Amino acid sequence: AQKVTQTQTSISVVEKTTVTMDCVYETRDSSYFLFWYKQTASGEIVFLIRQDSYKKENATVGHYSLNFQKPKSSIGLIITATQIEDSAVYFCAMREGSGSWQLIFGSGTQLTVMP
Amino acid sequence: GPKVLQIPSHQIIDMGQMVTLNCDPVSNHLYFYWYKQILGQQMEFLVNFYNGKVMEKSKLFKDQFSVERPDGSYFTLKIQPTALEDSAVYFCASSRDSSNSDYTFGSGTRLLVI
Repeated sequence: AQKVTQTQTSISVVEKTTVTMDCVYETRDSSYFLFWYKQTASGEIVFLIRQDSYKKENATVGHYSLNFQKPKSSIGLIITATQIEDSAVYFCAMREGSGSWQLIFGSGTQLTVMP
Repeated sequence: GPKVLQIPSHQIIDMGQMVTLNCDPVSNHLYFYWYKQILGQQMEFLVNFYNGKVMEKSKLFKDQFSVERPDGSYFTLKIQPTALEDSAVYFCASSRDSSNSDYTFGSGTRLLVI
């Protein structure tokens, strides 16, 4: 069965530091897509970055990067040089490549960036 | 970037009444979705819609739920009749295709059934 697990409920960091958020997933598909979204205090959901399972290179977009460890079914999100405005809830999500359109979300990690 | 617009942003409705949630997807997107988020929890998939048809739905998509997009206008989620457990934030999303394009989410409609 498909499942996405985020074990970290909340993380607090000081601004300008680096933070890593964990995510593990379960799937029987050999092809799948992994996403990270953030949900702001206003409720807006913003796409951040994605990793396709067939790509070996870790995705990087701006100050977001991924640590994709396929043998461990793990897709960590790394945010470097954190800013106050990075404070949000971060959701990991997976979509299987077998014809399903569902995004399966994790339970989210609340990130608080402090001055 | 392109936006998905949801109308209304908030809705309060009496249990048993009908409610329609409206979504204006990104203009060149062809696949549309509804997700449900209960306060403090993750979003859960309800339904996917393409070419006038429901392509996939979850067990949360009860018989009281229906979706349509008449003549390329709003993509709507109708709940008739509403129940107390339908209280949640409903997010609409759209994507250009079904393969590997990214999803664009709206800001959600906060539905309270009383």
